[in-house]
Amino acid sequence: NAGVTQTPKFQVLKTGQSMTLQCAQDMNHEYMSWYRQDPGMGLRLIHYSVGAGITDQGEVPNGYNVSRSTTEDFPLRLLSAAPSQTSVYFCASSYSLWRTEEQYFGPGTRLTVT
Amino acid sequence: QKEVEQDPGPLSVPEGAIVSLNCTYSNSAFQYFMWYRQYSRKGPELLMYTYSSGNKEDGRFTAQVDKSSKYISLFIRDSQPSDSATYLCAILIQGAQKLVFGQGTRLTINP
Repeated sequence: NAGVTQTPKFQVLKTGQSMTLQCAQDMNHEYMSWYRQDPGMGLRLIHYSVGAGITDQGEVPNGYNVSRSTTEDFPLRLLSAAPSQTSVYFCASSYSLWRTEEQYFGPGTRLTVT
Repeated sequence: QKEVEQDPGPLSVPEGAIVSLNCTYSNSAFQYFMWYRQYSRKGPELLMYTYSSGNKEDGRFTAQVDKSSKYISLFIRDSQPSDSATYLCAILIQGAQKLVFGQGTRLTINP
């Protein structure tokens, strides 16, 4: 199993550009989520999904969109990048919402917005 | 008040020392308590989790929860240079979407 994979590893965007961060898992997990990690802030939940076709907002959803058309994939879209979105983004998955104590994280995407 | 407070460190100790990492939390409804290890430029990796007060051991690692004080700890015995990483506590209400993380403590074990 590859586990949770994320692409790209690094990205530099200009303010106002849009892009999609990719996340995929091969563990047949129902629950997937996106976090951002900033210095001194820990990890904060952006959006999550409890299954294909079902998504909801987390703690810091503004400026981001998600969709879940398959169990395996959960892309995160930045609509119009802002410098405040400079961060490290992690995708995570777990068997279900009721097993989120066992979340598996991807390697992260380092995003810089200039 | 933050839901989870964790001393960010950094913490530097000699090889072989016992390390104690701590978090406090404010919401008594939290049920699950996790510790993640994060190596530099990598994703967090689940070390262990527990849902009851008391101790849980896994090799050199012991997780301790005191629900009456809202205090959780991770102890590392016989620390090794390979334990150098950032350690994050996280807490959860089962079935809730929100896994709440502490800020992380950066730990360095010196040979």
